[in-house]
Amino acid sequence: SQQGEEDPQALSIQEGENATMNCSYKTSINNLQWYRQNSGRGLVHLILIRSNEREKHSGRLRVTLDTSKKSSSLLITASRAADTASYFCATDEGGGADGLTFGKGTHLIIQP
Amino acid sequence: DAGITQSPRHKVTETGTPVTLRCHQTENHRYMYWYRQDPGHGLRLIHYSYGVKDTDKGEVSDGYSVSRSKTEDFLLTLESATSSQTSVYFCAISQTGTNEKLFFGSGTQLSVL
Repeated sequence: SQQGEEDPQALSIQEGENATMNCSYKTSINNLQWYRQNSGRGLVHLILIRSNEREKHSGRLRVTLDTSKKSSSLLITASRAADTASYFCATDEGGGADGLTFGKGTHLIIQP
Repeated sequence: DAGITQSPRHKVTETGTPVTLRCHQTENHRYMYWYRQDPGHGLRLIHYSYGVKDTDKGEVSDGYSVSRSKTEDFLLTLESATSSQTSVYFCAISQTGTNEKLFFGSGTQLSVL
């Protein structure tokens, strides 16, 4: 069953603006990850935040995690046309090697 | 795509025929995964492997089998393909057994007519 649910399903903004995507999940997690998927390609890992962390940065990416609300957000600052892609959150529930549970994704379009 | 090759990239087949998809990695990672991606469902785990000859079922394993006879190869077989198995199939690998940072292949687009 789906664990993460991204919101919004689609987002269109102007180049240079910030983009924020949200992810909600249902069960306890060990970590939450964000992936990007360009059209026709596989997913690429962006950032991982552990359950005991509240915020993490990587370049223009900022991820927050609120375990009490079972939610996370991904902020992309100063967006570029190359950021156009689908973004997925994925949760690790078991801590073992049994894979991640992915949400349905947010499709982000950056208008030049 | 991090030393992961999926073959074929595209396949069209008929209902009832067997189909095998191959995932080949050059990273020597122990853990390998097969996911399917469908509109409205995101990615769902089919099967995974935690070593040679060690495999287990994922969320949507019905109608699929897997084999891993070598570290570098993970095969996904549809014994008798159905139209509901039309999907994009992704292979992923991981170096550690902690579900951290999966690397994905480019996918196989499978159409079952």
